[in-house]
Amino acid sequence: DIQMTQSPSSLSASVGDRVSITCRASQGISNYLAWYQQKPGKVPKLLIYAASTLQSGVPSRFSGSGSGTDFTLTISSLQPEDVATYYCQKYNSAPWTFGQGTKVEIK
Amino acid sequence: EVQLVQSGAEVKKPGESLKISCKGSGYSFTTYWIGWVRQMPGKGLEWMGIIYPGDSDTRYSPSFQGQVTISADKSISTAYLQWSSLKASDTAMYYCARLGVQGVIAHDWGQGTLVTVSS
Repeated sequence: DIQMTQSPSSLSASVGDRVSITCRASQGISNYLAWYQQKPGKVPKLLIYAASTLQSGVPSRFSGSGSGTDFTLTISSLQPEDVATYYCQKYNSAPWTFGQGTKVEIK
Repeated sequence: EVQLVQSGAEVKKPGESLKISCKGSGYSFTTYWIGWVRQMPGKGLEWMGIIYPGDSDTRYSPSFQGQVTISADKSISTAYLQWSSLKASDTAMYYCARLGVQGVIAHDWGQGTLVTVSS
């Protein structure tokens, strides 16, 4: 099975900072990669699919890039409401594995 | 507006059976896959399986094959996740989600059902 590894596991940054989260697949998955945000105690929310397509209604400070094995979620200017755990997920084939998550906090 | 409304929290004993539900509205229930996602306490997300309510075509993640049963009743726009014999390790939050046409991507989520299994 293809493994999905996110880094870092957690990060702390200041409001307004540019933040990047990396997701690496153990084998190539083309662009079949989605990103989700889960705020504390809340339901997960889809942010990005097809590696770089922003889901409707998601703020434009979020962006995704990458293809093959290496992917990045970037928040261009971190806001207090972005405190959450972020997950990547592959969907090229079963099993549709999530990464282990990256917890983002405000410094 | 797409809505997925899940059944309420459950407290069960090991060995008991359980069926939780997810009712879809605001879209054509039979033409979108629905999936189930497990989140154990303090842990990450795991896809359990998916079902196409139109014909009940069901796919399971290997880790959950044989451990749970996913079904759907299209006449009442409801998907189900069931266990025949619960274990303490089944304690988790379970989410249903409507998948997009692009693949196994959870575009819309239910509010979650907390299942607690304890003697």
